[in-house]
Amino acid sequence: SQQGEEDPQALSIQEGENATMNCSYKTSINNLQWYRQNSGRGLVHLILIRSNEREKHSGRLRVTLDTSKKSSSLLITASRAADTASYFCATPRGDNYQLIWGAGTKLIIKP
Amino acid sequence: GAVVSQHPSWVICKSGTSVKIECRSLDFQATTMFWYRQFPKQSLMLMATSNEGSKATYEQGVEKDKFLINHASLTLSTLTVTSAHPEDSSFYICSARETGEDTQYFGPGTRLTVL
Repeated sequence: SQQGEEDPQALSIQEGENATMNCSYKTSINNLQWYRQNSGRGLVHLILIRSNEREKHSGRLRVTLDTSKKSSSLLITASRAADTASYFCATPRGDNYQLIWGAGTKLIIKP
Repeated sequence: GAVVSQHPSWVICKSGTSVKIECRSLDFQATTMFWYRQFPKQSLMLMATSNEGSKATYEQGVEKDKFLINHASLTLSTLTVTSAHPEDSSFYICSARETGEDTQYFGPGTRLTVL
C-alpha cells in the first residue's frame, strides 16, 4: 500500500540546475526516508529525517519535513547526469518497520 | 557499509516451474527482511515481512502458498515462487533491516520472466 503521493511524477531539468521533489503522507510518522532507484536496479538509501527534525543535509541533498502539513521535500542542488533516477519517499509502520512507499518521482537530468 | 545481495539477478523460466530467489545480508545480521514486488514504472509493493526463525507475515492479497518465504538464518532469506505463471513476471526486491536500526538496505533485485 502507498502512504501518500509524490510530485511531480516526472521532472526533467538541465544539468547544473536544482531539482525539488515533494512527498506527502497520511498518518503520523516516526521518520521519513528518501531512496533513489536507478532504472532496473535496487534502491539506495539517501537520507532519513526524524519527526523532530525540520531539515537535514547530506552532500548535495537537502531534505525538509513539515509534520503539520504531513509533507517532505528533497532538494538536489547542482544536479548531474548521474542523478537521473527515480526517487521515492517512504515511512515506516509497525514494529517491524515495514516501509510504506510514495509513488515516486522520475528525475531526468539533461546534459 | 551494509550490503545486501540477491541471487539470481535475472531468471527466465517456463510456466509451472518454481523459482527460488535468495537474499543475503553480507556484513550485518538482519533480524527482519522484506520482500517487494515492483511492476514497470510503479512503486514498490510490500509482499511480506520475514523475521528470522518465525513465519513470514504476508500483506493482504499476497498468496502465502504461492510465494514461500524462508528466513532460516540472520543473513539469508529466500523467496520461492511456486508454479510460476506469466503474471508472476516482475521485478522482485528484498531488503534487510538490522535490529534497532531504522534504515533498510536493499538488494539489487531479481527480474523474473515466466514464459
